[in-house]
Amino acid sequence: DTAVSQTPKYLVTQMGNDKSIKCEQNLGHDTMYWYKQDSKKFLKIMFSYNNKELIINETVPNRFSPKSPDKAHLNLHINSLELGDSAVYFCASSLQGGNSPLHFGNGTRLTVT
Amino acid sequence: AQRVTQPEKLLSVFKGAPVELKCNYSYSGSPELFWYVQYSRQRLQLLLRHISRESIKGFTADLNKGETSFHLKKPFAQEEDSAMYYCALSGTGANNLFFGTGTRLTVIP
Repeated sequence: DTAVSQTPKYLVTQMGNDKSIKCEQNLGHDTMYWYKQDSKKFLKIMFSYNNKELIINETVPNRFSPKSPDKAHLNLHINSLELGDSAVYFCASSLQGGNSPLHFGNGTRLTVT
Repeated sequence: AQRVTQPEKLLSVFKGAPVELKCNYSYSGSPELFWYVQYSRQRLQLLLRHISRESIKGFTADLNKGETSFHLKKPFAQEEDSAMYYCALSGTGANNLFFGTGTRLTVIP
């Protein structure tokens, strides 16, 4: 089944903890992204990787660190979680750049208590 | 800086009525515009892009550079059109995509 898959689907954790969200795509795409959707449903890009190389790093706290072991994977590690990190995080991929259609994962709902 | 504005957070129309979801953008270069849709319990997916000039599920969108708009239209709304719609912009050759805040469309039976 070709798709963008991210795990876990739900993540509930306490403030101060460190957590990771994994993303994998088997579409053969070169570019992968992480987007954050806040409570108002606003989608904002966080990171973009092209062939394992960081392309875009928006104004995201240093506590967020993406890791791309290969071009099919882009994981998101978050240190010292804060209440404001609660959101839905979407992984996406595209063949090449933002002008190619993005394929999104189902999202990971992170709740920090 | 690029910016995408969707002025309506919520939009309700009756089944069979025309629907228009508004999108305005600001970008200094030549933008590429997209509409993405998220149906209930499904992942976000591409609906259409302006360079394709196609109609998907009865929806069309025309890029109006004079008005910097890319409104999404459908002449007769269906119940299955109820979803969250996002307008998005990418600069030519850019490795990024900027989204509007989204419009939740509800089609009333």
